[in-house]
Amino acid sequence: DAKTTQPPSMDCAEGRAANLPCNHSTISGNEYVYWYRQIHSQGPQYIIHGLKNNETNEMASLIITEDRKSSTLILPHATLRDTAVYYCIVRVAGGAGNMLTFGGGTRLMVKP
Amino acid sequence: NAGVTQTPKFRILKIGQSMTLQCAQDMNHNYMYWYRQDPGMGLKLIYYSVGAGITDKGEVPNGYNVSRSTTEDFPLRLELAAPSQTSVYFCASSKQSGGSSYEQYFGPGTRLTVT
Repeated sequence: DAKTTQPPSMDCAEGRAANLPCNHSTISGNEYVYWYRQIHSQGPQYIIHGLKNNETNEMASLIITEDRKSSTLILPHATLRDTAVYYCIVRVAGGAGNMLTFGGGTRLMVKP
Repeated sequence: NAGVTQTPKFRILKIGQSMTLQCAQDMNHNYMYWYRQDPGMGLKLIYYSVGAGITDKGEVPNGYNVSRSTTEDFPLRLELAAPSQTSVYFCASSKQSGGSSYEQYFGPGTRLTVT
């Protein structure tokens, strides 16, 4: 699975959009970009995933660059409850055991 | 649906003791996983199972054993607890069908301390 690079921490004002970047310059053509988050002491929570096209669901939007070497997770109106560690993970769909490899993630702090 | 449930929530073990961490899911998922998370670190995969009767090692399997006799349950066994196994343990499950990819659902975790 491709390695990802994320900033260790970011701040965002409540009500503003939070834009979390992820670099995955060695991504292969059959690898997806996944985002999970972990709110303090809880199990990780799936947010969104995509292959090439931009994706949106009720939680967030995922913007993937045309060359697929980087992506941005957008939380359109961040709330205090969005304070968490956000993990960007790149992996092959249906790969062996469908396992996830978690790196350090980005600690997002949403401030009032 | 209860989702993924784990018991116990907390446990303190003495060195050399053994215990089983329980994990159950009611979503009829065929894949199940055990991860550990050390303080300030990301999750590491211990073992996974692609269906009843089939298990395989992940990144950090030493000191652990698993079994999968039913679709719903995936217990993790520690035989001789060591301080290095002090961690938070998360169980997860996912649906898997052919080459499609589905998200993993995580349990609330078991916080284990070995002293």
